[in-house]
Amino acid sequence: GDSVTQMEGPVTLSEEAFLTINCTYTATGYPSLFWYVQYPGEGLQLLLKATKADDKGSNKGFEATYRKETTSFHLEKGSVQVSDSAVYFCALIGPNDYKLSFGAGTTVTVRA
Amino acid sequence: EAGVAQSPRYKIIEKRQSVAFWCNPISGHATLYWYQQILGQGPKLLIQFQNNGVVDDSQLPKDRFSAERLKGVDSTLKIQPAKLEDSAVYLCASSLDGLGSGRGRETQYFGPGTRLLVL
Repeated sequence: GDSVTQMEGPVTLSEEAFLTINCTYTATGYPSLFWYVQYPGEGLQLLLKATKADDKGSNKGFEATYRKETTSFHLEKGSVQVSDSAVYFCALIGPNDYKLSFGAGTTVTVRA
Repeated sequence: EAGVAQSPRYKIIEKRQSVAFWCNPISGHATLYWYQQILGQGPKLLIQFQNNGVVDDSQLPKDRFSAERLKGVDSTLKIQPAKLEDSAVYLCASSLDGLGSGRGRETQYFGPGTRLLVL
């Protein structure tokens, strides 16, 4: 079945560092891809999404590009802040499906 | 636009007791989902409703969990009797529809969750 694999954490960075969280997927056809973020004590928030190959999703300084050739959707941010400390989840919905398949999540801690 | 509302935010019960969670989806969203998120894991789908009908409840432990969505809007999820392993965050989400149309209508928006601790 469809699945997502994301890099394990935890990841600890200093403020203004560059962040990359790797995400690869396995799916038939062209799934829709998502990054969700979960801040401490809060529910999941949609961070960005891409629904077709070569699309770039972006929000709050984060970016991810849907790469069909490498089946990847890596999350990047050029300069992180302490407020970016959270758990980040990569997820997909298959082209003829409705289920969100989540990765295990990557915990990111940004130190001042 | 108001987001997905859930209550209560926190609940502590003893094993074998019952508990109920409530969810109000985003207005106009036909599809509603309940997820269970155990600490350190990604959310797992328990049940999906399309309007007031069940689309998928294959991962719902039906001997103790039940859910309903009367009138196709609000939903309740109940656990009776609770077990220690039910300690988790219960997330409700909604989307315009549940079909993988590739046009973003399946994008799911989550509520803040209910954190359940079973002692």
